[in-house]
Amino acid sequence: NAGVTQTPKFQVLKTGQSMTLQCAQDMNHNSMYWYRQDPGMGLRLIYYSASEGTTDKGEVPNGYNVSRLNKREFSLRLESAAPSQTSVYFCASSRFKDYEQYFGPGTRLTVT
Amino acid sequence: AQTVTQSQPEMSVQEAETVTLSCTYDTSESDYYLFWYKQPPSRQMILVIRQEAYKQQNATENRFSVNFQKAAKSFSLKISDSQLGDAAMYFCASANTGNQFYFGTGTSLTVIP
Repeated sequence: NAGVTQTPKFQVLKTGQSMTLQCAQDMNHNSMYWYRQDPGMGLRLIYYSASEGTTDKGEVPNGYNVSRLNKREFSLRLESAAPSQTSVYFCASSRFKDYEQYFGPGTRLTVT
Repeated sequence: AQTVTQSQPEMSVQEAETVTLSCTYDTSESDYYLFWYKQPPSRQMILVIRQEAYKQQNATENRFSVNFQKAAKSFSLKISDSQLGDAAMYFCASANTGNQFYFGTGTSLTVIP
């Protein structure tokens, strides 16, 4: 039981490049989330998927797209990376009934 | 939107002593959940304790307990018998039934041997 896994762990991009962050969970959770964590800002919700087939914007969705590929997988795409997107990105999943979230190990992304 | 405020950027506690971390929140929802998460230097987010807003009884998990004051919209975390392994960043968070989560800016806890 791996919990929530994220790939890659580290990534450096040049401004304008695109990339996809991958997330998978093996806990049969309905809901999945993408956050970014910046120094002094706590975690901010980018997008979430309450269930397979649905996605919704969170607090800071601009510059990102997501895909809920199936119940297990939820990817985050940066189409044209900007330095302001330098951050640590966390994926999480939760049961529907109590919203207790389980987090992945994070991806440190640097955009130069 | 909900807001979560942690007014203590840093706290310190002597090993074996008790420390309380503060959190206030603002929501118009009647049904919501509150959480405390711990983030050690490894960066992994770990759930410490959870409170459902409809429950009047304060949640407890071993050495961790909360003081939930619904009318005051306050949700503080008490750590008893502090241990060196408790040193971490602690985040308070709220969630509504619409799956929107809001986190505070965190409190960095240092445990002094």
